[in-house]
Amino acid sequence: AQRVTQPEKLLSVFKGAPVELKCNYSYSGSPELFWYVQYSRQRLQLLLRHISRESIKGFTADLNKGETSFHLKKPFAQEEDSAMYYCALRGRTDKLIFGTGTRLQVFP
Amino acid sequence: NAGVTQTPKFRVLKTGQSMTLLCAQDMNHEYMYWYRQDPGMGLRLIHYSVGEGTTAKGEVPDGYNVSRLKKQNFLLGLESAAPSQTSVYFCASTFSLDSPLVETQYFGPGTRLLVL
Repeated sequence: AQRVTQPEKLLSVFKGAPVELKCNYSYSGSPELFWYVQYSRQRLQLLLRHISRESIKGFTADLNKGETSFHLKKPFAQEEDSAMYYCALRGRTDKLIFGTGTRLQVFP
Repeated sequence: NAGVTQTPKFRVLKTGQSMTLLCAQDMNHEYMYWYRQDPGMGLRLIHYSVGEGTTAKGEVPDGYNVSRLKKQNFLLGLESAAPSQTSVYFCASTFSLDSPLVETQYFGPGTRLLVL
């Protein structure tokens, strides 16, 4: 079964602290994984995808097939990073499977 | 381009009433999706469409119907609203599977629905 697990509902850090939002997945095959972000009162938007190996707004995420994880990291959190973050998986079908989301709060 | 738009933005219904949520996209996307977002549940797929005239069930289709009569529009209907359908509804669209951009779903701003 395809599943995405985000164990933390809420993650609170102070500005400048490192951030790691956890994402684990269950999928038999080679998945495509993504992080979507939803800022307050804004629509959901793609943050980054593992195949691009990109860094967006200082965030990176590495696909670890051995641990079936795709954790989102940023070395120094900023207040504007406060948002809801969703990890998502796409398998062989045309659907995205979303995790339950993690709310990141960055305090000044 | 307006991208993905949704109407209405907010609606209050009484139990048993019906309504239709409209999603429109002007990007010529093949695929369109309806999700509901609930606290602690994340985004759950209700129905989706891989092209004009086609629809398919997602994870939580019960109580909803959809139609894709035109490529740019995807309608979500509630025939008899229930309090359990109180949620924020998001529409999304993307290119077809043979596009290199297929994995990027473009989301609408959401519709808040309250069923009393």
